[in-house]
Amino acid sequence: GQNIDQPTEMTATEGAIVQINCTYQTSGFNGLFWYQQHAGEAPTFLSYNVLDGLEEKGRFSSFLSRSKGYSYLLLKELQMKDSASYLCAVVDSNYQLIWGAGTKLIIKP
Amino acid sequence: NAGVTQTPKFRILKIGQSMTLQCTQDMNHNYMYWYRQDPGMGLKLIYYSVGAGITDKGEVPNGYNVSRSTTEDFPLRLELAAPSQTSVYFCASSYETGGYEQYFGPGTRLTVT
Repeated sequence: GQNIDQPTEMTATEGAIVQINCTYQTSGFNGLFWYQQHAGEAPTFLSYNVLDGLEEKGRFSSFLSRSKGYSYLLLKELQMKDSASYLCAVVDSNYQLIWGAGTKLIIKP
Repeated sequence: NAGVTQTPKFRILKIGQSMTLQCTQDMNHNYMYWYRQDPGMGLKLIYYSVGAGITDKGEVPNGYNVSRSTTEDFPLRLELAAPSQTSVYFCASSYETGGYEQYFGPGTRLTVT
C-alpha cells in the first residue's frame, strides 16, 4: 500500500525555527511536494524536490532523502501568518499525487 | 488571470438529490483534477483529465461523474447524494503531470443530510 506519515500537529514560537517531517512508502517515486493550506482555504504550492538534498526558498527550505523515504520542511523566523497546515505529497509511479493528512502548525507569540 | 474558479462555495443537499460542482481554469492547463478533503485525511483524487475529451478515475470515483468538453471546464456531477459525500471538494489544474505545480480552486463545502 501507499503511505505518507506526518505529525498531526506541532506548536512553535514566533521568531523560532520549526522542522516538519514527512516519511513515505509509495509505489514508485517521481518527486515530493510541500503545500501550505490556511484554514478554510485552498492548498498553495511551497516546494518540489526530486533529487536528494536541500532546496532553499527564502524563509522556507525543503530537504529530501530518497534512500530513506524522508523529507522535511524547515521554516525559519516564524511569523504568525505561518499558522497553517502543511501538506506533504508524493508523485507515484503513475504520476499521481499521494497526499499526507497534513501537519497543523500553531504559532504562539 | 482568475486562475481556478469553483462554484458554489457552499451547498446543502438532501440524501438522494443530485448536483453539479462547476470548475473553470483560464491558464490553458492540460490537466485538471477533482479532490475531496475530509477532516484528518489527505486529499483524495476523485477523477482527473489529461485534456479535453479525456477523463479517468482516481482513487475514490464511486458516486461521481465528470466530463471535459473544453480545456477550461471540468464539472463534477454527484448523483444520488449520500451522507458519506459530505466533504470539501477542490478542483485543481496543472500544465503537465508529475513535477508540475497544481493550482487549486477555493473549494466547495458540501453537506449531505
